[in-house]
Amino acid sequence: ELKVEQNPLFLSMQEGKNYTIYCNYSTTSDRLYWYRQDPGKSLESLFVLLSNGAVKQEGRLMASLDTKARLSTLHITAAVHDLSATYFCAVDRPNYGGSQGNLIFGKGTKLSVKP
Amino acid sequence: DAGVIQSPRHEVTEMGQEVTLRCKPISGHDYLFWYRQTMMRGLELLIYFNNNVPIDDSGMPEDRFSAKMPNASFSTLKIQPSEPRDSAVYFCASSIRGVSKAFFGQGTRLTVV
Repeated sequence: ELKVEQNPLFLSMQEGKNYTIYCNYSTTSDRLYWYRQDPGKSLESLFVLLSNGAVKQEGRLMASLDTKARLSTLHITAAVHDLSATYFCAVDRPNYGGSQGNLIFGKGTKLSVKP
Repeated sequence: DAGVIQSPRHEVTEMGQEVTLRCKPISGHDYLFWYRQTMMRGLELLIYFNNNVPIDDSGMPEDRFSAKMPNASFSTLKIQPSEPRDSAVYFCASSIRGVSKAFFGQGTRLTVV
């Protein structure tokens, strides 16, 4: 069965703290995507990790990919309130035919950063 | 570019009525995807098109659902007849081969009462 599992599903953090969201997947995908969704809004692409060992950083967020372990992490450094949102990881569906958008999504991690 | 444009943003309809959701992909994109988001099932791919041709509709839940893409700049998702369990947020996304991400529209929140 094709699975993308995130944990935790809910995360309440204090401002200034660090934390990591984990994404495990069961496919043999070499690519992994992280999206952010604010309440009632669309999905915004954060990172596209294209190969084993890929690491990308944007502000207080850093994502990494280990294709051998089928694991990606999204690390939050010194959280601020503006990071409160739901974060999704996703992988290409097998035999996706080159269509960047044929994705299997995790359930999402709802992050709440409190002062 | 204005991004992926969906309409309407919100739709409330009565059970049994026909509902049509609309999507305008980003100009030049050759893939278009319809997703459904619910609390219980998360984000699910319903159908996708390549160059206006439906490629995989295995995610379409029932025959009540149909999707078309008459040209490169317009797609519809139709539910007929609608049922309360169809209540969800429906997202349209588009992408272009060789560019490694899809762009999502703002979604249509459908409520069937």
